[in-house]
Amino acid sequence: AQSVSQHNHHVILSEAASLELGCNYSYGGTVNLFWYVQYPGQHLQLLLKYFSGDPLVKGIKGFEAEFIKSKFSFNLRKPSVQWSDTAEYFCAVNLVSSNFNKFYFGSGTKLNVKP
Amino acid sequence: GAGVSQSPRYKVTKRGQDVALRCDPISGHVSLYWYRQALGQGPEFLTYFNYEAQQDKSGLPNDRFSAERPEGSISTLTIQRTEQRDSAMYRCASSPETGYEQYFGPGTRLTVT
Repeated sequence: AQSVSQHNHHVILSEAASLELGCNYSYGGTVNLFWYVQYPGQHLQLLLKYFSGDPLVKGIKGFEAEFIKSKFSFNLRKPSVQWSDTAEYFCAVNLVSSNFNKFYFGSGTKLNVKP
Repeated sequence: GAGVSQSPRYKVTKRGQDVALRCDPISGHVSLYWYRQALGQGPEFLTYFNYEAQQDKSGLPNDRFSAERPEGSISTLTIQRTEQRDSAMYRCASSPETGYEQYFGPGTRLTVT
């Protein structure tokens, strides 16, 4: 079965620390990759996406992610976090072919940034 | 413009009752998805539509769950004879086309007592 793994369930950082959240998936075919964020009391919002091309993608609020095909990974990074980045982050993988379209989400990583 | 809306936002029902959850997608969006999210987990795919056609319902847990999108816009997820294990957040998302990023609604928190 296809799966998306987010290894860090809960991360606590101080402001200005660097962030890297891991995401691995198990599927050998073509994928579209996403990171979503859910701020407290709000709904899921798209942070960034990868469809093709440059494997290093930049999203909103200074976030970026790198697609490493050989490692089936799409890790999220930010050089310097802010208190306002406190949220839950979800990695998602879209498997698309001529006869199916599947979305799989990881279980999420809760980020707590201490001021 | 208006985002995805869902109603009701909260629903408490007694075991055995039927519930209908509504999703109003972003205008013009072709694809509409339903997910269920348990506490501490990510969204779990239930079903999706392109226009009015239900393309994939493989994620629906059993035949008590059904969904429709009769005019290719608003969708309803119906759970018959609810059970306590159905308690969860039910999320709807729409997308301009298949495979594009999804825009999520606020969700409906269903509690079955």
